[in-house]
Amino acid sequence: NAGVTQTPKFRVLKTGQSMTLLCAQDMNHEYMYWYRQDPGMGLRLIHYSVGEGTTAKGEVPDGYNVSRLKKQNFLLGLESAAPSQTSVYFCASTQDRVNYGYTFGSGTRLTVV
Amino acid sequence: AQKITQTQPGMFVQEKEAVTLDCTYDTSDPSYGLFWYKQPSSGEMIFLIYQGSYDQQNATEGRYSLNFQKARKSANLVISASQLGDSAMYFCAMREGVGAGGTSYGKLTFGQGTILTVHP
Repeated sequence: NAGVTQTPKFRVLKTGQSMTLLCAQDMNHEYMYWYRQDPGMGLRLIHYSVGEGTTAKGEVPDGYNVSRLKKQNFLLGLESAAPSQTSVYFCASTQDRVNYGYTFGSGTRLTVV
Repeated sequence: AQKITQTQPGMFVQEKEAVTLDCTYDTSDPSYGLFWYKQPSSGEMIFLIYQGSYDQQNATEGRYSLNFQKARKSANLVISASQLGDSAMYFCAMREGVGAGGTSYGKLTFGQGTILTVHP
């Protein structure tokens, strides 16, 4: 089925460890986004990309890096995980900035101990 | 200032009754869009309804309608005939810069969410 796939779905990290979250979409969407969801704060934008090879910072980019080497993949990296990065991470994609059809992944629940 | 504000952390409704979830927004952009998403306990984000700032009529999708009051900058979600399956977290979101030359790049700004519980 067409959509956005996030891997892994769950992960527990120790403080200081690194990891990469993968977002893959098969809809040929140009725009991709990484959000984090925390209780009482809704979803906040971490980084986004408007096309292959481009990335930009969102509202809460500190401690994260991203890459979009291929159009269908958007990677979110944590170089040195901190407990404050415990959250649920969502990836989303859309074709352009005026289309209102966004597709969200199912989320990655990350715990940093 | 918060761009999207949902002032109701939790709401309760009896099955088959209607419920209104509040959302106010703040923007100086004349071209914007407003979204409502549902997030059940399973965690996925489900799109419910969309309202463009220039749309003349309030958006409706089945049992969902959006009460759009542009001057008040509010975009309340109305769910008619509530069902037990409507129990979930609901998010209001806004996208600015939809007009020609806009530079928001489709970024969505979300409210804090409202947890709706439907009682039998």
